[in-house]
Amino acid sequence: SYELTQPPSVSVSPGQTARITCSGDALPKKYAYWYQQKSGQAPVLVIYEDSKRPSGIPERFSGSSSGTMATLTISGAQVEDEADYYCYSTDSSGNHRGVFGTGTKVTVL
Amino acid sequence: EVQLVESGGGLVQPGRSLRLSCAASGFTFDDYAMHWVRQAPGKGLEWVSGISWNSGSIGYADSVKGRFTISRDNAKNSLYLQMNSLRAEDTALYYCANVLRGYWGQGTLVTVSS
Repeated sequence: SYELTQPPSVSVSPGQTARITCSGDALPKKYAYWYQQKSGQAPVLVIYEDSKRPSGIPERFSGSSSGTMATLTISGAQVEDEADYYCYSTDSSGNHRGVFGTGTKVTVL
Repeated sequence: EVQLVESGGGLVQPGRSLRLSCAASGFTFDDYAMHWVRQAPGKGLEWVSGISWNSGSIGYADSVKGRFTISRDNAKNSLYLQMNSLRAEDTALYYCANVLRGYWGQGTLVTVSS
């Protein structure tokens, strides 16, 4: 089955840049979406269609995609950005089969 | 305001069935594909199933294929998940979501245990 691979953890100091990668074979043909999930809360969409930012999401969140890798960048990370982050995409079967990445715990300290 | 409200979760014995429902409001429900996503305690997000706007395209995760059935009723702005032959590993918080738009409910907890 199709998989999206993320690093388990990323640590960053406040004000520095955090980059989270998501690797998947279908990413050259399929959009990546990025979610932030804080403890006990429902996920929040922070990037859609590789690089677009929903209204209300701070500009420090940005996304890019190249080849089989999508990247979420948090520029000038804040303490409140500490959370789990998941990428999401679909496989190439065309049958609405989605998949979430393995998740990355971002620590800001 | 977008709202997705799940219901139907609870404690169920292994091998039994459960039907989850999701009531949607605040957006044009029949314009969008919808999904069920679950999260086991302390684990990551797992996509379970998705259905296109007109039910013409449906997909399932390998872990639930053949046991779970997704459906929708656009006239009622509702999404459903029929879960049969439940296993302990199906224990999770089940979210109804429009994943591509970022609309999520608060989830309904399903616990499979004897």
